[in-house]
Amino acid sequence: EADIYQTPRYLVIGTGKKITLECSQTMGHDKMYWYQQDPGMELHLIHYSYGVNSTEKGDLSSESTVSRIRTEHFPLTLESARPSHTSQYLCASSETGILGTEAFFGQGTRLTVV
Amino acid sequence: AQSVTQLDSHVSVSEGTPVLLRCNYSSSYSPSLFWYVQHPNKGLQLLLKYTSAATLVKGINGFEAEFKKSETSFHLTKPSAHMSDAAEYFCVVRPISSGSARQLTFGSGTQLTVLP
Repeated sequence: EADIYQTPRYLVIGTGKKITLECSQTMGHDKMYWYQQDPGMELHLIHYSYGVNSTEKGDLSSESTVSRIRTEHFPLTLESARPSHTSQYLCASSETGILGTEAFFGQGTRLTVV
Repeated sequence: AQSVTQLDSHVSVSEGTPVLLRCNYSSSYSPSLFWYVQHPNKGLQLLLKYTSAATLVKGINGFEAEFKKSETSFHLTKPSAHMSDAAEYFCVVRPISSGSARQLTFGSGTQLTVLP
């Protein structure tokens, strides 16, 4: 079982609220990622980080922001939630390497904005 | 450039019968290939991976996949389905020269239903 944790698992929140989705890993991985997944759809990368103080936007445009102050922690923030942000958000991490570098995933946060 | 096509969005099998989930890929570079499973309300769990060693890869829970370069395929199989196999399965490709999961490309997923 991979040691990567996301909280909360489920969140229902009103429009305009600020929210932070937490992600922590205990594997010492340098690389961390946030993916967005709509029901029945593939995952889309929205943010990634190569290490402390390193963050970049992913392939899918997102109004969320991330920070990486500590290696083990990679929170995602939405300043003003909207119904269009309703989705599942998956956090992942991977070790530095070339061959066979797979990503380890958290259990996800299912966000509903009403 | 790389892409992944999972040929079936839904597969339904009876318990105890074989499972076949199909995946075709395209990649400009030699690929690493992965299969992940996602149970309801859970994160993704790695089933198996191919990284240019043996073309027949064995994974967890009795699953295996065969890398066929000539067919650009990486189909997932299991001889006998179990009720607990019901889940969503994702085929994923990454250039083997890439040291980062940044370049992971996910298929759209196959929902496996196992009938009693």
